[in-house]
Amino acid sequence: AQSVAQPEDQVNVAEGNPLTVKCTYSVSGNPYLFWYVQYPNRGLQFLLKYITGDNLVKGSYGFEAEFNKSQTSFHLKKPSALVSDSALYFCAVRVPISSGSARQLTFGSGTQLTVLP
Amino acid sequence: ETGVTQSPTHLIKTRGQQVTLRCSSQSGHNTVSWYQQALGQGPQFIFQYYREEENGRGNFPPRFSGLQFPNYSSELNVNALELDDSALYLCASSFPTGSSNTEAFFGQGTRLTVV
Repeated sequence: AQSVAQPEDQVNVAEGNPLTVKCTYSVSGNPYLFWYVQYPNRGLQFLLKYITGDNLVKGSYGFEAEFNKSQTSFHLKKPSALVSDSALYFCAVRVPISSGSARQLTFGSGTQLTVLP
Repeated sequence: ETGVTQSPTHLIKTRGQQVTLRCSSQSGHNTVSWYQQALGQGPQFIFQYYREEENGRGNFPPRFSGLQFPNYSSELNVNALELDDSALYLCASSFPTGSSNTEAFFGQGTRLTVV
């Protein structure tokens, strides 16, 4: 079974400072890893993904994430936080699948990011 | 915004009733998944439809059922509603299996309240 842990329910950071939202995963085989963001009363918006290749992946709105296989982590980062980045962030994992098989995403419990002006 | 649309956006039902939620997938996507997001939690996988058949299911009872239509739109049906079914229900669509585009695109969700 696959699982995702987001150890911090809440992360506070001052505007302009770097931010990190942590994620660790457990899965059999090579993982596909994703970050999504959710604004109040909205669905999930895709930020970035790791499939294979370079361990540092870049995504939307200046976010990036680093895949660390030995630590089974996929932390989300941004060099300079904006107040508008304040939202709920979810890490998700799934395994590569054969044609026609379910693309089940397993999500973490989410981390509320608050960027203070 | 993604091209995934869900209806209705909100609804209130009474315990024991039945409800149908609808989802139109993004153009070109033939795979639709449904997730339940309870308050303060991450989304939980309910099931997935591919080529009009259920091809994966999470830990949800049979009173949660679905359909996918030839145009790839989908319905989620929940019978005998319980108070714990109150949640945000999210639909996600994705490109055909084997495509290099592997991420799922989510709709804005349907907020179901069971009273």
